[in-house]
Order: sequence, then structure tokens, then C-alpha cells
Amino acid sequence: DSGVTQTPKHLITATGQRVTLRCSPRSGDLSVYWYQQSLDQGLQFLIQYYNGEERAKGNILERFSAQQFPDLHSELNLSSLELGDSALYFCASSVDVAHDEKLFFGSGTQLSVL
Amino acid sequence: QQQVKQSPQSLIVQKGGISIINCAYENTAFDYFPWYQQFPGKGPALLIAIRPDVSEKKEGRFTISFNKSAKQFSLHIMDSQPGDSATYFCAASWANYGGSQGNLIFGKGTKLSVKP
Repeated sequence: DSGVTQTPKHLITATGQRVTLRCSPRSGDLSVYWYQQSLDQGLQFLIQYYNGEERAKGNILERFSAQQFPDLHSELNLSSLELGDSALYFCASSVDVAHDEKLFFGSGTQLSVL
Repeated sequence: QQQVKQSPQSLIVQKGGISIINCAYENTAFDYFPWYQQFPGKGPALLIAIRPDVSEKKEGRFTISFNKSAKQFSLHIMDSQPGDSATYFCAASWANYGGSQGNLIFGKGTKLSVKP
């Protein structure tokens, strides 16, 4: 068990809808990362938050947004969903200090857009 | 330049054998190279990582070899066991403005099967 909790584990929705994925990082970890895993694109970095502030952005679509709350949990919001958004979405956390870059991944949320 | 190319896509090894997975990169700004292991239904888990100031790092049965001039690095799994059957991802990153290195560029993965 990595200590990172993601909910829900599975989500089935329709095109055009909006969903929210939730992540609770390991106790004490200030950084939260969101990744998308799909068969064609592989594992792609979406966005990072550090102690409530956005720190880095990757291949995140404009339809997607995230935030990190004062209790350090994070949410990834996906809107105007398309079939191609179906994927496994991972949250990862880290202590994020120099030379301690280990990411701890949750078990993911499997999103199916029908 | 942002890509990390990984090969092979799949690998079958006999128990006790050596598994070798290779990765190549173009971006010379990368300075952190981890390998992650992923079992079905689970998130990736860090296996071992290296920085370009060393050419090799060993942790138990797992070794990373790093060739800075060739911009290549590889994972060697010695005495491979059926329990090692998983998907392995190489990755690379550089420190972002906050010093974080978790914004990883992943390879496409190698599915390893170790036969008893």
C-alpha cells in the first residue's frame, strides 16, 4: 500500500459530462502529481501541485483542471468529456525535497467515457 | 526531444535468467532517471533510480547502467523470478523551477514475463 488514496476506483460516464477525481496524498507529502495512462499515449504527466500552488504543467488539456486544498488533498476535474479521455488516472505524492524524488502512486481511477 | 524510447515492448525470460530493458533519450537537460515497476491493477512503484554522475547503480538484483555519451540507460534484473513479472517503465526528468523532479517523461513500458 503506497499510502496514496484515490477515489473513486471506477467511473463510467457519458460524453459531454464532467467528473471529479479525488486524491489524498501520503501523510506529510506536500506535492501531488496527476498522471494519465492510456494504451496509445502511455503514462503522461498532467500537472503538479505543491502545498496548494500549481508548480508544473504537462500535457493537460484545457478541459481539465486541478486544485490542491489546504488539507493537501487534490482534485482533478475533467469536463466536456470525450471518448478519448477514457484512461486510467493516477495521483502520486512525494515529500519533494532535494534528492528525494520518489513518487508514491495511488491505485488509480479508471475512467470510461461512453 | 521530450521522448524516452524504451525497448523491447515485451520480454520473456526463464526463471534464473537476466532480464535487460533499454531506454534512450535525446534531451540532455534530463538529470534524473528512475525505473518504475507496475503490477496489474496497481500504480507504478519506484524500483531504482540513477543520476548521470554515476555509470551504474545496483540495488539487490536490480542494476541500472547509464551511458551519458550515448544517452542510453538500461535496467538489468539478475536471477529473474516469476514474481518479477510486471510492466517496467523507464523515465526521465529535469528539475522544474521549484526543484521538483516528479514531472516524469515515461517510456512506453516493457511487459516482462518470467517463466518458471
